[in-house]
Amino acid sequence: GENVEQHPSTLSVQEGDSAVIKCTYSDSASNYFPWYKQELGKRPQLIIDIRSNVGEKKDQRIAVTLNKTAKHFSLHITETQPEDSAVYFCAASIGDTGTASKLTFGTGTRLQVTL
Amino acid sequence: NAGVTQTPKFQVLKTGQSMTLQCAQDMNHNSMYWYRQDPGMGLRLIYYSASEGTTDKGEVPNGYNVSRLNKREFSLRLESAAPSQTSVYFCASRRQGGGNTIYFGEGSWLTVV
Repeated sequence: GENVEQHPSTLSVQEGDSAVIKCTYSDSASNYFPWYKQELGKRPQLIIDIRSNVGEKKDQRIAVTLNKTAKHFSLHITETQPEDSAVYFCAASIGDTGTASKLTFGTGTRLQVTL
Repeated sequence: NAGVTQTPKFQVLKTGQSMTLQCAQDMNHNSMYWYRQDPGMGLRLIYYSASEGTTDKGEVPNGYNVSRLNKREFSLRLESAAPSQTSVYFCASRRQGGGNTIYFGEGSWLTVV
């Protein structure tokens, strides 16, 4: 099955700096790569996703890049703010084939944005 | 529109007791999932259901059973709870044919003593 590795496990940045979280996946058939943000005691919430037919996607201060050849994808957060502090999870799955699509998650990155 | 609703939110069990976690979604989604979350291990899939009447094992199914009661409801049962099942459990759902976005419930904190 799919295996997703995520690095680093913890990341501390100063407010205003950029943060980068990297993930690799094993199954070359995977074609959907979402990122979830989880605040303490809350549910994971989707912040951005990318499909294998694009290499980069941006949404305001957040961007995701995908390199299908190398089987890795990254989350970039620019101009970090204290409210960005949370645990971030990457995930991978095989696309909408008409059956249940199972997300395999990375182990998470705890991002701390310091003042 | 409540999304994905789980009950109970918190539960303490003694080793060997049984319990059922309930999950319901009102988004008319076909697929439903149960994940567990443990520190440092991310979210691991226990069971999933592609549609009403079907269920399949995920990555960590041992010690659990599920029932897809109807399109809305997907329950997770622990027949004989063990301390290793102390975890946070998340139910999730996904609409088939509309992309792969999975929506999570608020989570159920289970402690087995």
